[in-house]
Amino acid sequence: GENVEQHPSTLSVQEGDSAVIKCTYSDSASNYFPWYKQELGKGPQLIIDIRSNVGEKKDQRIAVTLNKTAKHFSLHITETQPEDSAVYFCAASKKTGFQKLVFGTGTRLLVSP
Amino acid sequence: DSGVTQTPKHLITATGQRVTLRCSPRSGDLSVYWYQQSLDQGLQFLIHYYNGEERAKGNILERFSAQQFPDLHSELNLSSLELGDSALYFCASSVVDTHTGELFFGEGSRLTVL
Repeated sequence: GENVEQHPSTLSVQEGDSAVIKCTYSDSASNYFPWYKQELGKGPQLIIDIRSNVGEKKDQRIAVTLNKTAKHFSLHITETQPEDSAVYFCAASKKTGFQKLVFGTGTRLLVSP
Repeated sequence: DSGVTQTPKHLITATGQRVTLRCSPRSGDLSVYWYQQSLDQGLQFLIHYYNGEERAKGNILERFSAQQFPDLHSELNLSSLELGDSALYFCASSVVDTHTGELFFGEGSRLTVL
């Protein structure tokens, strides 16, 4: 089955710096790659997603890139702000066969003022 | 606020006991998913229901069961509880019947087994 690895497990940056979180997946049939942000005491919330027919997607300060050949995808946050501090999860799934959204183990991002 | 309601928020019980966690999905969502979040295992998919029917099972133990009722709310039943069952249990809902769309998560039910 699908396996998603996520790095790093923790990431500390200064406000205004960029942050990059990387994930790799194992199932070449996976075609949907969302990123969720989980704030303390809350459930995960979708911040951006990408499907396998595109290589990059941007939404303001957030961007996701996908390399299908290498089976990895990354989250890029520019001009980080203290409110970006949270745990970020990548995930992968496919629309065919046995379907389940498989999450990475999470990255705790700390943005210091 | 995601629109997904989970109760109870916190639950403390003893080993061997049985508990029921409840989830009300967002209005109009037919899919309900259950996930377990523990410190060392991240978010693990347990089970998915769509409009009352089981659609997919993940790493759900035989001691656990779930159902989705005609009004679309769902319950996750955990029995013969063990210390290792202590975790956050999340319910999520979505409009689609696949795992390739946005999931809206509740705030979770934190289960502590003593």
